[in-house]
Amino acid sequence: GAGVSQTPSNKVTEKGKYVELRCDPISGHTALYWYRQSLGQGPEFLIYFQGTGAADDSGLPNDRFFAVRPEGSVSTLKIQRTERGDSAVYLCASSLGPGNTEAFFGQGTRLTVV
Amino acid sequence: DAKTTQPPSMDCAEGRAANLPCNHSTISGNEYVYWYRQIHSQGPQYIIHGLKNNETNEMASLIITEDRKSSTLILPHATLRDTAVYYCIDLMNRDDKIIFGKGTRLHILP
Repeated sequence: GAGVSQTPSNKVTEKGKYVELRCDPISGHTALYWYRQSLGQGPEFLIYFQGTGAADDSGLPNDRFFAVRPEGSVSTLKIQRTERGDSAVYLCASSLGPGNTEAFFGQGTRLTVV
Repeated sequence: DAKTTQPPSMDCAEGRAANLPCNHSTISGNEYVYWYRQIHSQGPQYIIHGLKNNETNEMASLIITEDRKSSTLILPHATLRDTAVYYCIDLMNRDDKIIFGKGTRLHILP
């Protein structure tokens, strides 16, 4: 596609449930990033992939959060035992990779935990 | 944490130049100055970046002081569509992630 695509655009889930958020990066982009954004705040870094491997997962808040990118393209952010505090917009971005930090962001997935 | 400081909000009249300041008190010699913006309900969008020299593209101009401790993003003729939160970021090209601060919320007044 022309840009970064995130699905679903909105997700409402009950506290304690498991959710998966999907990101389709721009074709050919080797770097992929996940961010989380709460109301009134800037995006908060979660994890960065270079190819299939997680190069930096220092932003994941705890072990309930996990992300994969098995074929170096599509990525899935997985949240176990969701809590109300996980409610936020989850943003995905991709770039050509190291040495090129112009990142292209998707529209985000708005996650609401009730 | 973000290393740059920006005013939390600014107003600009439609059609006038919007000048957004940023302080880079801890910028190192090999870090670039990047600017992104985020329009309501959208993901951040790259605007421009520079190292030492002033830069201009179709969206904006970037002025970097000689000591590189501050920069100014200039939108030459602001329109209502420029209403957004603007983020300045210090970044090495080999860095693996962008760290956002709170940015400046720019209001364009009709």
